[in-house]
Amino acid sequence: GNSVTQMEGPVTLSEEAFLTINCTYTATGYPSLFWYVQYPGEGLQLLLKATKADDKGSNKGFEATYRKETTSFHLEKGSVQVSDSAVYFCALQFSQGAQKLVFGQGTRLTINP
Amino acid sequence: GAGVSQSPSNKVTEKGKDVELRCDPISGHTALYWYRQSLGQGLEFLIYFQGNSAPDKSGLPSDRFSAERTGGSVSTLTIQRTQQEDSAVYLCASSPSLGNQPQHFGDGTRLSIL
Repeated sequence: GNSVTQMEGPVTLSEEAFLTINCTYTATGYPSLFWYVQYPGEGLQLLLKATKADDKGSNKGFEATYRKETTSFHLEKGSVQVSDSAVYFCALQFSQGAQKLVFGQGTRLTINP
Repeated sequence: GAGVSQSPSNKVTEKGKDVELRCDPISGHTALYWYRQSLGQGLEFLIYFQGNSAPDKSGLPSDRFSAERTGGSVSTLTIQRTQQEDSAVYLCASSPSLGNQPQHFGDGTRLSIL
């Protein structure tokens, strides 16, 4: 079946550190890939997406590149801020059928000043 | 409002009671999804609506769970004879139509079964 695996959290970093959250997927076919973020007390928000191999999604200083050869979509940011503290979810979605999202387990990120 | 609205935001009920959760999607969004976020299982798909019909109910965990959508807008998720394992945050999302449009999520309903 289709699935997404994220690096286990929680992840704690100091402000201005470099961030990587690993995400790999298993899928039959070529899904679109997403990162969603859930800030404390808020709902899930789309952070970035990529719809085909070698596409790079970017937003708010975060980037992720769709790597078909390694079935990965790792999230990176060069210099994190306290306001980036949140739970991050990697997800895949196929363009046919219900287009339901298949999520990873989430990674809790805490940034200390 | 402009976003997906869910109510109630919190619900505490006794085991064995029925509960109804409501989702008001973004106006004009034809696709509507219910997901469940629980500690042990992460974020799981429950059901998908396109208009008023539900072509994919594959994520509903048991026959105690049902959902309907009327007028192509508001949806209700009903859980009958609640069990403690039903405790979770129930999330609703909507999107404009098929064709790889992003899903917009509500803030969820936190359901606690005593």
